[in-house]
Amino acid sequence: EPEVTQTPSHQVTQMGQEVILRCVPISNHLYFYWYRQILGQKVEFLVSFYNNEISEKSEIFDDQFSVERPDGSNFTLKIRSTKLEDSAMYFCASSYPGQIYNEQFFGPGTRLTVL
Amino acid sequence: ELKVEQNPLFLSMQEGKNYTIYCNYSTTSDRLYWYRQDPGKSLESLFVLLSNGAVKQEGRLMASLDTKARLSTLHITAAVHDLSATYFCAVESAGTASKLTFGTGTRLQVTL
Repeated sequence: EPEVTQTPSHQVTQMGQEVILRCVPISNHLYFYWYRQILGQKVEFLVSFYNNEISEKSEIFDDQFSVERPDGSNFTLKIRSTKLEDSAMYFCASSYPGQIYNEQFFGPGTRLTVL
Repeated sequence: ELKVEQNPLFLSMQEGKNYTIYCNYSTTSDRLYWYRQDPGKSLESLFVLLSNGAVKQEGRLMASLDTKARLSTLHITAAVHDLSATYFCAVESAGTASKLTFGTGTRLQVTL
């Protein structure tokens, strides 16, 4: 069964460093998303991406964040200068919207720890 | 802004008992999803509810949607230990392929 994959599974970085989180969505999917979950809290939407541009972004997704689909398979989230509060689990999701609903499939997540 | 609330936040129940998790949301939507999350793991889709009065069942779990009341329920029948996890409801915003707004989650612990 096709699935969303993410690398790395765990990333440890120093405050102020840049990180790139990678995702490979399901191959025929058209919409791509990033969500994050701070430990013990709910899942929060960051950004959605379609047709090589951002469709929607949340307040969390400020200038420090960017997304890219550099080739036909990868979807990346870059954080330019990490802060302690960026420590969280980051989930990538993808979907192929049907006529009625849009079920999103989630990857296993990348745990980001900022020291 | 769409707000999604779940209760209870934590639920400890004995095996064999029944219980219901509630999910309230603040604006009109007729697309609601339930996910399960095991500790340190990703989100597993359980149910997709698309219309008022929708009811879906899988094993010991049954989900329903009342769009007029803006309420969804996840009912657990005769709980077993394997159901221990955190359960999230998520509401899809209007529009094409829109974001999901998640509830606060209900951590379910089923004890022997």
